Amino acid sequence: QKEVEQNSGPLSVPEGAIASLNCTYSDRGSQSFFWYRQYSGKSPELIMSIYSNGDKEDGRFTAQLNKASQYVSLLIRDSQPSDSATYLCAVKRGFKTIFGAGTRLFVKA
Amino acid sequence: DAGVIQSPRHEVTEMGQEVTLRCKPISGHNSLFWYRQTMMRGLELLIYFNNNVPIDDSGMPEDRFSAKMPNASFSTLKIQPSEPRDSAVYFCASSAGQQYSNQPQHFGDGTRLSIL
Repeated sequence: QKEVEQNSGPLSVPEGAIASLNCTYSDRGSQSFFWYRQYSGKSPELIMSIYSNGDKEDGRFTAQLNKASQYVSLLIRDSQPSDSATYLCAVKRGFKTIFGAGTRLFVKA
Repeated sequence: DAGVIQSPRHEVTEMGQEVTLRCKPISGHNSLFWYRQTMMRGLELLIYFNNNVPIDDSGMPEDRFSAKMPNASFSTLKIQPSEPRDSAVYFCASSAGQQYSNQPQHFGDGTRLSIL
């Protein structure tokens, strides 16, 4: 079992729809959770952080955390073609951050 | 504010040559991480430092790989001798805070390495 698992996709959604990206993790001692966006040929860019159970909203992005289920998700509302990228889930325990393999998202105009 | 700075951006060299990748973390950040990214294996953590001290190098694939952090503002990742399978994008990232802080990592632009 991988430490951080994501569906590789691709996930294809029409412009204006909600994109839902999911992530599960295996280490119950993990304390911090992050979503990074990576455009092709570019470096990962932090878009959301979440540390406690529940929802956290930032603009069109909502991160959701359920520690009991070891589940993290990212919702992108009103998806735009510019949101097309790979989204990496990252889970931190201690010094170490483990990244998932990423979900490729395509937003169709 | 300056982000994480990596050099060179691209490196093409022949098998057997020594390769040195460089990284300058964000000022004030006390943790530094080296990653390798390939299509097949995704983003792999190679080594990380805290306060210039290597904490975990278990991700370093072979003895051909070595990393140093002589001071808080500079780190190197060296491959000697290089092999074609080392071709990848190498990222450096840095973060602030202590071991169980919630601080995220911030990535440099990466070095795209091609070994012929």
